[in-house]
Amino acid sequence: DTEVTQTPKHLVMGMTNKKSLKCEQHMGHRAMYWYKQKAKKPPELMFVYSYEKLSINESVPSRFSPECPNSSLLNLHLHALQPEDSALYLCASSLTQGEQFFGPGTRLTVL
Amino acid sequence: DQQVKQNSPSLSVQEGRISILNCDYTNSMFDYFLWYKKYPAEGPTFLISISSIKDKNEDGRFTVFLNKSAKHLSLHIVPSQPGDSAVYFCAGWDAGNMLTFGGGTRLMVKP
Repeated sequence: DTEVTQTPKHLVMGMTNKKSLKCEQHMGHRAMYWYKQKAKKPPELMFVYSYEKLSINESVPSRFSPECPNSSLLNLHLHALQPEDSALYLCASSLTQGEQFFGPGTRLTVL
Repeated sequence: DQQVKQNSPSLSVQEGRISILNCDYTNSMFDYFLWYKKYPAEGPTFLISISSIKDKNEDGRFTVFLNKSAKHLSLHIVPSQPGDSAVYFCAGWDAGNMLTFGGGTRLMVKP
């Protein structure tokens, strides 16, 4: 199994909603990542988990809350988002040495 | 400060010809450089990488060249095919498990 899966594919939520994005990989990778990508821009790193511990938080607002329940799963909990948070949210995983495998992303729209 | 720059936002090439995508970087600490290909509404797909201690890496139709003294790398695709039409991101990886992406170049291969 050489893929990263993400659910849901699309999500529409109001500013008062609480929702979660899920990511899963079974490649034995010990580093997992959340990226945010706006249209026509490169992916921007949000969080890095290494061996299930949060190692990097790129000054992301607290309305985004990551969680790594085990080595295969990564969640991103969303609460009180703003319309400008609408974007493609990408999960990735890696062993070491650069090559990150990306999931297909969740297209998030905040109304 | 943009550590990785792709100065050409778009490139148009005839099918069968060579596509050359360029990337410049400023961070001397990158250990690896990677190229990703991205179709609309999908996550980036890893294409090819090169270690900072090498100057060339080839994989089928794709070759990446690294010029460390100029802090420049390029991706050559030959022969180009219509299915290669996508956005290509160059990325630098440092030992902190971080990928820094360039802004992307949209490649259009015309039949």
